[in-house]
Amino acid sequence: DIQMTQSPSTLSASVGDRVTLTCRASQSISNRLAWYQQKSGKAPKPLIYMASTLESGVPSRFSGSGSGTEFTLTISSLQPDDFATYYCQHYEAYPITFGQGTRLEIK
Amino acid sequence: DVQLVESGGGLVQPGGSLRLSCEGSGFTFNNYWMSWVRQAPGKGLEWVANIRKDGSIKNYADSLKGRITISRDNSRNSLSLQLDSLRAEDTAVYYCARYPGNSAYADSWGQGTLVTVSS
Repeated sequence: DIQMTQSPSTLSASVGDRVTLTCRASQSISNRLAWYQQKSGKAPKPLIYMASTLESGVPSRFSGSGSGTEFTLTISSLQPDDFATYYCQHYEAYPITFGQGTRLEIK
Repeated sequence: DVQLVESGGGLVQPGGSLRLSCEGSGFTFNNYWMSWVRQAPGKGLEWVANIRKDGSIKNYADSLKGRITISRDNSRNSLSLQLDSLRAEDTAVYYCARYPGNSAYADSWGQGTLVTVSS
């Protein structure tokens, strides 16, 4: 199975900050990586697919990059609505697996 | 608007069974692979199963294989998940999700249905 490891587990930041979340795959997954945002008690919201393609309606302050085993999600200027938990997920092969999540909290 | 609405969750005793359903609307249901993803309380996301547009291919998480069955009825725009031999560790919110194209990332999610396994 391909393991997905996210870092950090928790990130404290302020409104307006630029933040970068990292996701590493245990083997190459090409660009078959998605990012989701989840708020407490809600379903995950898709943000990015194919490592760097923004879902329709997602603000341009979100961006994704990477290929192979190393990926990042960057938020260029944090907004109050962005404080949430973020998950990466690969879809290179079965079983599909998610990272353990990065919780983005207000400093 | 795309909508996915899950139902069927509830409290079940260990060893029991439950059948979850998901009804899709606002899109052509039989054009999409569909999936179930679960989340135990306070934990991360776990992929459970998915099924091809026509139901001919099904994939299951190894940890659940043999105890779950995914199915769909395209005439009713409906996805199902049969859960058998339930254990306490199966307690989770179960989400129904849609896959666009042939890639297994979910571009639309239901609100989830809670399954609690407890005596």
